[in-house]
Amino acid sequence: AQTVTQSQPEMSVQEAETVTLSCTYDTSESDYYLFWYKQPPSRQMILVIRQEAYKQQNATENRFSVNFQKAAKSFSLKISDSQLGDAAMYFCAYRSRYGGSQGNLIFGKGTKLSVKP
Amino acid sequence: EPEVTQTPSHQVTQMGQEVILRCVPISNHLYFYWYRQILGQKVEFLVSFYNNEISEKSEIFDDQFSVERPDGSNFTLKIRSTKLEDSAMYFCASSLYQGDYGYTFGSGTRLTVV
Repeated sequence: AQTVTQSQPEMSVQEAETVTLSCTYDTSESDYYLFWYKQPPSRQMILVIRQEAYKQQNATENRFSVNFQKAAKSFSLKISDSQLGDAAMYFCAYRSRYGGSQGNLIFGKGTKLSVKP
Repeated sequence: EPEVTQTPSHQVTQMGQEVILRCVPISNHLYFYWYRQILGQKVEFLVSFYNNEISEKSEIFDDQFSVERPDGSNFTLKIRSTKLEDSAMYFCASSLYQGDYGYTFGSGTRLTVV
């Protein structure tokens, strides 16, 4: 079964600085999707960025970018020019392309990001 | 931007009571999901629903749980006889496609069983 590991329970960054959140996963599949979700204090899970495993190019969304290393099974999130509104819990998630009960989102435990003014 | 709406935001119930958690998915979405997050633990998949039937369910989703889409807009999760260990945040989500582009989540219902 697939697993997702986020080794940093908490991270802190100064406003306007850059921070990288780590995520590793374990799978025997070659085709899958990876996601980062943000959960602010409002509790809603918000999709930040998505990566397709067959694409070598790293996904970017404005200040958010990923470093996808397929061979290493690593999927880190970089937040540039951090803003106070970036403070939240960040979850890394995996989804198989092939369906089944494992074809739903498998989440890591999350990293709590604090942004200092 | 379209949202997934969940009600109530917090529900307290006595052990053994039935509880119904309600969700209004995004109107043109076709796939619906329930996830839960026990405090301090991972977000876990419960069930997915498509074309008016359950498409997948996890080991957590036993006979005490059921889902329904009674009127084409609401999507409900029913727990028949709640246990203390059912206390968790329950998230509803929906997607237009089969989740390849991610899901849209609601804000969750915090269920407390006493």
